[in-house]
Amino acid sequence: TQLLEQSPQFLSIQEGENLTVYCNSSSVFSSLQWYRQEPGEGPVLLVTVVTGGEVKKLKRLTFQFGDARKDSSLHITAAQTGDTGLYLCAALTGTASKLTFGTGTRLQVTL
Amino acid sequence: SAVISQKPSRDICQRGTSLTIQCQVDSQVTMMFWYRQQPGQSLTLIATANQGSEATYESGFVIDKFPISRPNLTFSTLTVSNMSPEDSSIYLCSVLTISYNEQFFGPGTRLTVL
Repeated sequence: TQLLEQSPQFLSIQEGENLTVYCNSSSVFSSLQWYRQEPGEGPVLLVTVVTGGEVKKLKRLTFQFGDARKDSSLHITAAQTGDTGLYLCAALTGTASKLTFGTGTRLQVTL
Repeated sequence: SAVISQKPSRDICQRGTSLTIQCQVDSQVTMMFWYRQQPGQSLTLIATANQGSEATYESGFVIDKFPISRPNLTFSTLTVSNMSPEDSSIYLCSVLTISYNEQFFGPGTRLTVL
């Protein structure tokens, strides 16, 4: 059983559209992180959410941590082709600093 | 941030052979990790590389298959031993720096086993 389930698995949209990616779990986390990975590169940290109900904005990206700290969402407004990539949620589990990654959402934004 | 380099960036290997992947960081780090990312999938932690002692492996990964070394604070190697096509993956090095409470990832090594 995957600890962190992401949906949708794949998403293909046109530039200018909005989208939301979900990260769900039955476990409670002290914090949750979102990464973006582009082809040929390692994942890059976008944000860390810590407090239940927290909302963080990074330009056109809005991240929310669920009130119960079991889930999170990433909303992109007016997607651009540069947003194309693999989006991963991740949580620290077990021993501190060990990351467990979600199943991933592959986003493709076309003109 | 930390700058991480991995060598090789990609390789094509024959089954039954072994490949050693190097990870070099430009600053001292507290922890180093090795991940595997199978085609089209997410990342799975293989092990934590410990300086001067045996690595700590996650469930499903063993030292005989994935021996790891970490002789100092900025360098680690991962060997994929007796390879089979199922080992075809991207292998990523990750570090937790002293100054930033954040993990940084290397560019990965894309391994194809024929």
